Amino acid sequence: EILLTQSPATLSLSPGERATLSCRASQSISTYLAWYQQKPGQAPRLLIYDASNRATGIPARFSSSGSGTDFTLTISSLEPEDFAVYYCQQRSNWPLTFGGGTNVEIK
Amino acid sequence: EVQLVESGGGLVQTGGSLRLSCAASGFTFSSYCMHWVRQAPGKGLVWVSRINSDGSNTNYADSVKGRFTISRDDAKNTLYLQMNSLRAEDTAVYFCARAAAPGTHWFDPWGQGTLVTVSS
Repeated sequence: EILLTQSPATLSLSPGERATLSCRASQSISTYLAWYQQKPGQAPRLLIYDASNRATGIPARFSSSGSGTDFTLTISSLEPEDFAVYYCQQRSNWPLTFGGGTNVEIK
Repeated sequence: EVQLVESGGGLVQTGGSLRLSCAASGFTFSSYCMHWVRQAPGKGLVWVSRINSDGSNTNYADSVKGRFTISRDDAKNTLYLQMNSLRAEDTAVYFCARAAAPGTHWFDPWGQGTLVTVSS
């Protein structure tokens, strides 16, 4: 099973600041990585797929990069609605796995 | 509008059974692989199971293999998860999710979830 480790667990930032979230895979997953955003009481929402492609309707302030084992999600300037939990997910191998999440909270 | 609506959750005793349903609308259901993902209270996301578009192939997380069965009824545009021999650790919100595109295993969209509580 491929383990995805997200860091940091919590990121405390102010609106307008840049957020950088990390996801590290226990083995190479090429670019088979997605990012999701989840707000309290809601279902997750797909943000990024294939490591760097924004899903439909996702603002340009969300970007992602990486391949192999190291991936980064960047939010260039945090909007109030961006404070949420972010998960990475791999589809390189079965079982599909998620990282433990990064909580982006208001400082 | 693409929509997924789960139902069937509730309180069940340890060792009991429950069947979850996910009603799909707004897209050609029979063309898409479908998944179940769960989230224990206050915890992260865990993939549970997947069924391919024609129902001929399924995958399961080790934690549910042999106890849960995923199925689909394309005539009813509905996905199911039959859960048997339930344990306390199966307590979670269960989300159904569509593959983002045929042949991919990204989840988009998701349903709103249905809560399953397993208690003795």
